[in-house]
Amino acid sequence: AQSVTQLDSQVPVFEEAPVELRCNYSSSVSVYLFWYVQYPNQGLQLLLKYLSGSTLVKGINGFEAEFNKSQTSFHLRKPSVHISDTAEYFCAVFTGGGNKLTFGTGTQLKVEL
Amino acid sequence: EAGVAQSPRYKIIEKRQSVAFWCNPISGHATLYWYQQILGQGPKLLIQFQNNGVVDDSQLPKDRFSAERLKGVDSTLKIQPAKLEDSAVYLCASSLDRGYNEQFFGPGTRLTVL
Repeated sequence: AQSVTQLDSQVPVFEEAPVELRCNYSSSVSVYLFWYVQYPNQGLQLLLKYLSGSTLVKGINGFEAEFNKSQTSFHLRKPSVHISDTAEYFCAVFTGGGNKLTFGTGTQLKVEL
Repeated sequence: EAGVAQSPRYKIIEKRQSVAFWCNPISGHATLYWYQQILGQGPKLLIQFQNNGVVDDSQLPKDRFSAERLKGVDSTLKIQPAKLEDSAVYLCASSLDRGYNEQFFGPGTRLTVL
């Protein structure tokens, strides 16, 4: 069975500082990996996804993530955050066997002035 | 392009009452999903439709939850009777097809069971 672990429930960071949100997955088969963002009182929005090819994936709003198969990780990074990045971020894994998205518990990113 | 629509946005009911949620997916999307998101947790898939057929309802508590997608477009999710532990945000999502296609989410319905 597939699972996703987001190690940090909350990450406070100052504006214009870099940030990394960690995600580890477990699966015995090939995976497809996603990061979604959820702003207050809104649904989830896709930030980026890894399906195949280059392990460095670039998404919207300046975010990027790197797929590391040996470490079973898919950490999300942004070199300089903005107040508007304050939101909850969810890592998710899809495997063909399960045929569904499995989400992590989320990381609340709080950007402070 | 219109997004996924859900109503109502908020609902407060007493335990043992019934409640229904409605979802209108993006036009042309064959696959529709209902998720339950309990506070502090990630979304959990309750049921997945492909057109008007059920693909996966393995995590749907069938003794109290039901869902349908008539004509392969709109969908309703019903809870009867509701329990305290059903308090959550219910998210509807749709995608062009099954598999790892991008899922587009609605704003959700926040249910509070007292």
